[in-house]
Amino acid sequence: GEDVEQSLFLSVREGDSSVINCTYTDSSSTYLYWYKQEPGAGLQLLTYIFSNMDMKQDQRLTVLLNKKDKHLSLRIADTQTGDSAIYFCAGTGFQKLVFGTGTRLLVSP
Amino acid sequence: DTAVSQTPKYLVTQMGNDKSIKCEQNLGHDTMYWYKQDSKKFLKIMFSYNNKELIINETVPNRFSPKSPDKAHLNLHINSLELGDSAVYFCASSQATSGGLTGELFFGEGSRLTVL
Repeated sequence: GEDVEQSLFLSVREGDSSVINCTYTDSSSTYLYWYKQEPGAGLQLLTYIFSNMDMKQDQRLTVLLNKKDKHLSLRIADTQTGDSAIYFCAGTGFQKLVFGTGTRLLVSP
Repeated sequence: DTAVSQTPKYLVTQMGNDKSIKCEQNLGHDTMYWYKQDSKKFLKIMFSYNNKELIINETVPNRFSPKSPDKAHLNLHINSLELGDSAVYFCASSQATSGGLTGELFFGEGSRLTVL
């Protein structure tokens, strides 16, 4: 089955850029997603990228996809304290999403 | 209006008891899921239903029994609760795209189960 790995923690200062990385094993995922989970809440979709794209920009968010290395990243520009949360990457399988291990982003003032 | 709602939000119970968690979605989606998030925040799929039919059962003990009375509802009943069942259980829904690929998932706020 699909394995999706992420680093567990990232700490940045407000105003810096954050880069969250994800590696996956199943290259057949048609879409790759980034979800955000705030404390005590469910996951919310942040952005996604179609597998035939290398990059997608959405306001402060930039998603980069390297299919050869099976590597996905999420860059958050001008990180704010409100961005502190757990970020999950996810790949599409047949009839389900497989989530990564999650990266806890801590933004300090 | 809440899109995916789960009840209860918190559940504290003794080992050996039986409990249920309910989920409802008003998005008109045809697929619903139960995910389990453990204390390390790892998120694993347990079940999914498409139009009331079970399509995924991911090696979950048979003490866990999902039921989908209609495509807007998916409940989870757990028998003989064990300490290891303590977790946050998330319900989610999606509209399957053509070919069976999963579209965006919409999550409920989670039900935190604590087994003492």
